[in-house]
Amino acid sequence: KNEVEQSPQNLTAQEGEFITINCSYSVGISALHWLQQHPGGGIVSLFMLSSGKKKHGRLIATINIQEKHSSLHITASHPRDSAVYICAVEPLNNNDMRFGAGTRLTVKP
Amino acid sequence: DTGVSQDPRHKITKRGQNVTFRCDPISEHNRLYWYRQTLGQGPEFLTYFQNEAQLEKSRLLSDRFSAERPKGSFSTLEIQRTEQGDSAMYLCASSRGQGEKLFFGSGTQLSVL
Repeated sequence: KNEVEQSPQNLTAQEGEFITINCSYSVGISALHWLQQHPGGGIVSLFMLSSGKKKHGRLIATINIQEKHSSLHITASHPRDSAVYICAVEPLNNNDMRFGAGTRLTVKP
Repeated sequence: DTGVSQDPRHKITKRGQNVTFRCDPISEHNRLYWYRQTLGQGPEFLTYFQNEAQLEKSRLLSDRFSAERPKGSFSTLEIQRTEQGDSAMYLCASSRGQGEKLFFGSGTQLSVL
């Protein structure tokens, strides 16, 4: 079993819909990252969380350390949000970041 | 452009050849990471540097792989005697330190024929 599990694996939405991507992990962590990867490989860091909630524009990320769970929400989704969203965790006392397999989001106009 | 840059963007090589990739991190970043990503999968950690010191190395990294960061600035990743299973995207990232935001390069796509 992968230490970082994301759901769903694939997600198709209509423009304007509210989107939620989930991440569960099984190790103690010092931080969790949400990353966005567009076709062609470029990865952009969206959020780095160690507790609570962060918001940037239409994106919101939350984390529950006790439940070992994080969610990424996209409000008023747009076709340009289409990408792979990857959850990654930094284990406590360890620096080999563990990545989820990613959630492929397609937003249709 | 003051982002993380990687060179080359693409590399095609024959099995058995050696290849070397370069990563130039953001200049004030102490940490530099190498990852490998295959199609449809998330990145896998390979190794990381704190300044010039290589502090951790994944079990995935066989003896054919070596990485250096000689002056704590740019880093190189060398793969000796390449195998077809080495074909992947090799990603470099840098950060100010642990728990800090990561900045990724565009990657080097390696194809071993």
